[in-house]
Amino acid sequence: EDQVTQSPEALRLQEGESSSLNCSYTVSGLRGLFWYRQDPGKGPEFLFTLYSAGEEKEKERLKATLTKKESFLHITAPKPEDSATYLCAVGPSGTYKYIFGTGTRLKVLA
Amino acid sequence: DARVTQTPRDKVTEMGQEVTMRCQPILGHNTVFWYRQTMMQGLELLAYFRNRAPLDDSGMPKDRFSAEMPDATLATLKIQPSEPRDSAVYFCASADGGNEQFFGPGTRLTVL
Repeated sequence: EDQVTQSPEALRLQEGESSSLNCSYTVSGLRGLFWYRQDPGKGPEFLFTLYSAGEEKEKERLKATLTKKESFLHITAPKPEDSATYLCAVGPSGTYKYIFGTGTRLKVLA
Repeated sequence: DARVTQTPRDKVTEMGQEVTMRCQPILGHNTVFWYRQTMMQGLELLAYFRNRAPLDDSGMPKDRFSAEMPDATLATLKIQPSEPRDSAVYFCASADGGNEQFFGPGTRLTVL
């Protein structure tokens, strides 16, 4: 069964304290792995797509990496405005039925 | 700035009433998705369309939910009759080909 698990559920960081969020997945075949950011009361906002193991993508203070079993979202020197819920999703091959994890709620304190 | 729009943003209704939610996908996107988000279950896919044709609606309770795309600029999700367990935030998303999905702001549904 295709599955996505994110950890930790919640994370509190001091401003400037770098950390990583984890997304573990099992899928029969991977079309892509996606990271989204969701602010309270809003829809998820697309961040990255990763297609194959070893691939990395960067955007400002965020860097996403992918292995055959998991993906990491590294946050370098976070700021309070990075506070949000970060969602990971996998797209199995042959379908657009993406499976979302339950997210990591990140709080960055000034 | 192209974006997905959804109406209404908030809906409060009583059990048994019909609810219709509407979505305008980004112009030119050929794939439209309906999701439901709750604290307990997270984000669940209800149905999706490609070029207005329904490709999968296995995530929807068939007896009360229906989804349609009358034209390329409008997708609808109907619940009839609504039940308190349907209370959730419903998101529409669109994509050009399906990989990078762009979400709307959601419709927060409360069924009393």
